[in-house]
Amino acid sequence: DAGITQSPRYKITETGRQVTLMCHQTWSHSYMFWYRQDLGHGLRLIYYSAAADITDKGEVPDGYVVSRSKTENFPLTLESATRSQTSVYFCASRDPRGDEQYFGPGTRLTVT
Amino acid sequence: GQNIDQPTEMTATEGAIVQINCTYQTSGFNGLFWYQQHAGEAPTFLSYNVLDGLEEKGRFSSFLSRSKGYSYLLLKELQMKDSASYLCAVNRGSTLGRLYFGRGTQLTVWP
Repeated sequence: DAGITQSPRYKITETGRQVTLMCHQTWSHSYMFWYRQDLGHGLRLIYYSAAADITDKGEVPDGYVVSRSKTENFPLTLESATRSQTSVYFCASRDPRGDEQYFGPGTRLTVT
Repeated sequence: GQNIDQPTEMTATEGAIVQINCTYQTSGFNGLFWYQQHAGEAPTFLSYNVLDGLEEKGRFSSFLSRSKGYSYLLLKELQMKDSASYLCAVNRGSTLGRLYFGRGTQLTVWP
């Protein structure tokens, strides 16, 4: 399907486990972003990427790792999940020629 | 820092007009965005202002004053489906379009 997709949509994991959230977009947008959304904080940027193999930290990167070997994929890994990482995670992409970011449907992650 | 303030909640009735304000303090500025987010869904783009003034798009308009660090989103002829969270976000100068979001304003439209 065209657009931006995220998987899984829902995930429950235990403290200390590694978990990877997937993001895939079919537009070949260069720019991609990972946000988390928590009550009382709004959307906060975790990591972003300007192109394949180019990534950088956002506001709240601690405890997360990203990679971008292909333009269309931008996975986010929690190396050792903590309860404070319970959140809704949104991936977004943007065409450098435009202004708008397009958001994926989100992944609701619960860390027990 | 990037303080972005907007009211937490607002209510209005169907057919009315509502204005959602957003104030920001930022060390750089390259545009202000408004997004709409229905419960359990992804944010969707509503408007983008980079120059001072009013941008109108159907029932929705957005205004920006860069000197005052102020924007508002105006929703006319409110409908029940407009009940959602409205997010104000600032690009503080990044060419990649890094956005800093406010906490969102939850709008409830009553019949």
